Amino acid sequence: DAKTTQPTSMDCAEGRAANLPCNHSTISGNEYVYWYRQIHSQGPQYIIHGLKNNETNEMASLIITEDRKSSTLILPHATLRDTAVYYCIVRVAMEYGNKLVFGAGTILRVKS
Amino acid sequence: EPEVTQTPSHQVTQMGQEVILRCVPISNHLYFYWYRQILGQKVEFLVSFYNNEISEKSEIFDDQFSVERPDGSNFTLKIRSTKLEDSAMYFCASSESGYGYTFGSGTRLTVV
Repeated sequence: DAKTTQPTSMDCAEGRAANLPCNHSTISGNEYVYWYRQIHSQGPQYIIHGLKNNETNEMASLIITEDRKSSTLILPHATLRDTAVYYCIVRVAMEYGNKLVFGAGTILRVKS
Repeated sequence: EPEVTQTPSHQVTQMGQEVILRCVPISNHLYFYWYRQILGQKVEFLVSFYNNEISEKSEIFDDQFSVERPDGSNFTLKIRSTKLEDSAMYFCASSESGYGYTFGSGTRLTVV
């Protein structure tokens, strides 16, 4: 089962920052938090990941609380094309490699 | 940017028939995965493949399913005798190190 909980849906005005919260209270010390998004039924698209520190790339910023029990994905200037399902995922370790266990995600609607 | 290629994009098959879904992972990647998404539901892990063998499989991945990397470039998912409930989007993913994942655009399988 997914180790994360997210709101079912959120709305955001075009041009404003979209802040998507995620709770992962049972995360272990060496487990990473990943964010992916899925537009319609396309393949999930990688956004960002992190362990402890806040991270930023060209798409988004990831803010992880000090206790690591929650995080927030920030899309700084949301556009209509950012409308998608956003998945917060705690990567699960396997004997060889890791796997992503998807939850239901948050439907983000960016509105003009 | 390198991408994971899946073919066909859409496959329609009769119940009881065998289907093979094909994937070309990113060339230097070592870890390979299949996920599926039934319409309106979560993305579900099926199987991971590393060093020419299955490293983990989910409960969904029963004896009807098999995976193969026949020629060092393709990665296939075979469903031996399809059922109506196998209708879904099937996503292939690959990873260089087991940490970052790139997903393909998926194959929509429709069993009639």
